[in-house]
Amino acid sequence: GPKVLQIPSHQIIDMGQMVTLNCDPVSNHLYFYWYKQILGQQMEFLVNFYNGKVMEKSKLFKDQFSVERPDGSYFTLKIQPTALEDSAVYFCASSLEGRDTGQLYFGEGSKLTVL
Amino acid sequence: GDSVTQTEGLVTVTEGLPVKLNCTYQTTYLTIAFFWYVQYLNEAPQVLLKSSTDNKRTEHQGFHATLHKSSSSFHLQKSSAQLSDSALYYCALTNTGKLTFGDGTVLTVKP
Repeated sequence: GPKVLQIPSHQIIDMGQMVTLNCDPVSNHLYFYWYKQILGQQMEFLVNFYNGKVMEKSKLFKDQFSVERPDGSYFTLKIQPTALEDSAVYFCASSLEGRDTGQLYFGEGSKLTVL
Repeated sequence: GDSVTQTEGLVTVTEGLPVKLNCTYQTTYLTIAFFWYVQYLNEAPQVLLKSSTDNKRTEHQGFHATLHKSSSSFHLQKSSAQLSDSALYYCALTNTGKLTFGDGTVLTVKP
C-alpha cells in the first residue's frame, strides 16, 4: 500500500539544539500531519497542514515548533530549541482527503531523544 | 473536545479463541468516521477497519466492528485469534481530518 517515509528513524541531540524531522508523504496526498507519542502513552495530534498552511494545531504544538513543505519536497517538523520533554516518537501521516472520513497513512516514526 | 476510551491496556488470549477489544467515545460532532489502527512491532500504524455508518458491520482480515452511536461504541472483535494478530491496536475517530486516538490496547496471542 501507500508508504510514508520518515527520516531519520532515530536522532539523539542535546537540549537547546535544533532538530528537523523529515517526512516524505504519499505522492498524491494533500493533507499532512504530525503526531507525538511519548513512550507508553497514546498518540497525540500536533498539527495538520494543507496547501502550504497550518490548518489546525494542538496545545502540544509549542512556539518552538514549526512545519513547512517547501516546493513539494519533504514535509518537515522543526523544533528550535529542543527541550527534554520533546523526547518522543514523532509520526508523520498524510491523507488524500482532509475532511471527516479521510484515512491517514502513517510513517514508521522518528524517535527523538533529547539529552 | 473529542475523546476515545479503550478500557484495556493489555489483552492476552489463547490462539483460536475469540477476542474483543473495547472502544467507546465522546464527541460533539455529528459527522465523524471511526477507525481501528493496528501497529505491529517496529512498523507504522495502519488502518484495520473504518466505519462511519451506524449499526453497520465492517470486516477486514477476520476482524469486525460495528459502530453503535446509541451506545457510543466501536468495539473490535475476532472469532478466532491468530498468533500474527499480536500487536498494538488503536481505536480512533476523526472530524475535520484530525484523528483522536485512544490509549491503545496491546493484544498478545499465545499458543
